[in-house]
Amino acid sequence: EPEVTQTPSHQVTQMGQEVILRCVPISNHLYFYWYRQILGQKVEFLVSFYNNEISEKSEIFDDQFSVERPDGSNFTLKIRSTKLEDSAMYFCASSPRVGMNTEAFFGQGTRLTVV
Amino acid sequence: AQSVTQLGSHVSVSEGALVLLRCNYSSSVPPYLFWYVQYPNQGLQLLLKYTTGATLVKGINGFEAEFKKSETSFHLTKPSAHMSDAAEYFCAVRDDKIIFGKGTRLHILP
Repeated sequence: EPEVTQTPSHQVTQMGQEVILRCVPISNHLYFYWYRQILGQKVEFLVSFYNNEISEKSEIFDDQFSVERPDGSNFTLKIRSTKLEDSAMYFCASSPRVGMNTEAFFGQGTRLTVV
Repeated sequence: AQSVTQLGSHVSVSEGALVLLRCNYSSSVPPYLFWYVQYPNQGLQLLLKYTTGATLVKGINGFEAEFKKSETSFHLTKPSAHMSDAAEYFCAVRDDKIIFGKGTRLHILP
């Protein structure tokens, strides 16, 4: 069964460093998302991406963050100059279309720890 | 804006007992609703979804949910809890993106 894959599963980085979280969405999907879950808290929307551009972003997604689809398969989230409060689980998701009755398929997540 | 509210951040039930996880939604248009489950140290897995049609929706692992427009609710139930059901459950509503509730952690007591 097709699935969204994320790498790495766990990333430890020093405060101030840049990290890139990688995702391979399901191959025929067109819409891509990043979500964040701080430990013990809700899953929060960060950004959605379609047709090689951001379609929507939350207030969390400031200039520190960027997304890119560098080739036909990968979808990346870059966090510049990481802060302690960026420590969270980051989920990538994809969906074949953006219709209201379409669920998003989530990856297993990348646990980012900023020290 | 659409939103969901989950009542109870923690719910404990005995093995074999009824599971009831509550979710209420707020939407100005007919909602599309989902329940996701997150097992420890794992990602988010879709349990079930309501789009249109039958208001009682059956999902995986014996779970079901009923859409009640009059009560703006979409509560998740399972007749008999199993130890393997221990997880975090998220109610969600679909906008241009999926919007999650705060989650309910289900504990199963032996």
